[in-house]
Amino acid sequence: QQQVKQSPQSLIVQKGGISIINCAYENTAFDYFPWYQQFPGKGPALLIAIRPDVSEKKEGRFTISFNKSAKQFSLHIMDSQPGDSATYFCAASGSGGSNYKLTFGKGTLLTVNP
Amino acid sequence: DAGVTQSPTHLIKTRGQQVTLRCSPKSGHDTVSWYQQALGQGPQFIFQYYEEEERQRGNFPDRFSGHQFPNYSSELNVNALLLGDSALYLCASSLVGRRRSGNTIYFGEGSWLTVV
Repeated sequence: QQQVKQSPQSLIVQKGGISIINCAYENTAFDYFPWYQQFPGKGPALLIAIRPDVSEKKEGRFTISFNKSAKQFSLHIMDSQPGDSATYFCAASGSGGSNYKLTFGKGTLLTVNP
Repeated sequence: DAGVTQSPTHLIKTRGQQVTLRCSPKSGHDTVSWYQQALGQGPQFIFQYYEEEERQRGNFPDRFSGHQFPNYSSELNVNALLLGDSALYLCASSLVGRRRSGNTIYFGEGSWLTVV
């Protein structure tokens, strides 16, 4: 059972454009939603994270939008750059006993053309 | 400040063999989790160690076992290796606290295991 569904599987954007990646979750116990960036041959690096008590969080060119009622959240990359080309994973975790256990989406391969 | 460090970075094993992977958590962190990432997939949670005990376990067989040492470092052991065990094994560290969920989880660069 895939608890976090991510789309699209791949995305091609022109330099300066907006990249949008979407995720949907099923488990209502999830209350922490991070996004990770992974370059080939490297481990995932935390990009930005949100909790469901806010609907949006912005850090530089990266913004998370969160819709609790729809159980969906998305990553927006403004002014996309070739250096942003990587695989992006959304993830979710709960509290209490399931804290610190991340459930990942399948990833989105982003290519930003110069 | 050293991040999460893993060793070895790459290794090749034969079916049926056993492998041990090692992880040192980020300075100040006391919790270590292990994830398996198959090619083209997202990481899958294997198990988590805190206070030298396995606290949570994902959907992995008993061939996967681990250990945490008093200095918080950890080992992942996989016995009777199968071809399907070929993957990137990631160690993640965090700090247990009384805050709400979402303590930042940091990943190492991983250990690439190829089973032939």
